[in-house]
Amino acid sequence: GENVEQHPSTLSVQEGDSAVIKCTYSDSASNYFPWYKQELGKRPQLIIDIRSNVGEKKDQRIAVTLNKTAKHFSLHITETQPEDSAVYFCAASGGATNKLIFGTGTLLAVQP
Amino acid sequence: EPEVTQTPSHQVTQMGQEVILRCVPISNHLYFYWYRQILGQKVEFLVSFYNNEISEKSEIFDDQFSVERPDGSNFTLKIRSTKLEDSAMYFCAQQGGRSSYNSPLHFGNGTRLTVT
Repeated sequence: GENVEQHPSTLSVQEGDSAVIKCTYSDSASNYFPWYKQELGKRPQLIIDIRSNVGEKKDQRIAVTLNKTAKHFSLHITETQPEDSAVYFCAASGGATNKLIFGTGTLLAVQP
Repeated sequence: EPEVTQTPSHQVTQMGQEVILRCVPISNHLYFYWYRQILGQKVEFLVSFYNNEISEKSEIFDDQFSVERPDGSNFTLKIRSTKLEDSAMYFCAQQGGRSSYNSPLHFGNGTRLTVT
């Protein structure tokens, strides 16, 4: 089955800097890759997603890139703000199954 | 956007007791899921439900777990005999609309289960 790995596990940046979180997946049939933000004690919330027919997607300060050949995808946050501090999870799904398999999460701390 | 709602928000139970977690889904959303998240860990898939049947389940979803739709709308996750390691946040989730294959998954607010 699908396995998703995520790095780094923790990331500390200064306010205004960029943050990059990387994920790799194992199932070449996966074709949907969402990113979720989870604040402490709350539910994961979708922030951006990408499907395998595109290589990059951007929404204001957030962008996601996908390399299908290498089976990895990345989240880029520019001009980080303290309110970006949270745990970010990548996920993958597709092929024979509709379920999302999540990465292990990245704790992002934006220092003011 | 309509939300998936879960009750209770927090459930404390003793080891060996049965618990039932409830979820009110968004209407017209066909794919329904239960996930769990042990404190500080990743979100783990438990079971998926499509067209009123279990479509897939994980290794975690053993005989102690069951999922039902008792009144045709709301969903329940039942744990028959809870263990300490069942302590976690349990999320129900849905995918949007009738063309929901590989569409965004929206989570409920979760039920924090504490087994003592």
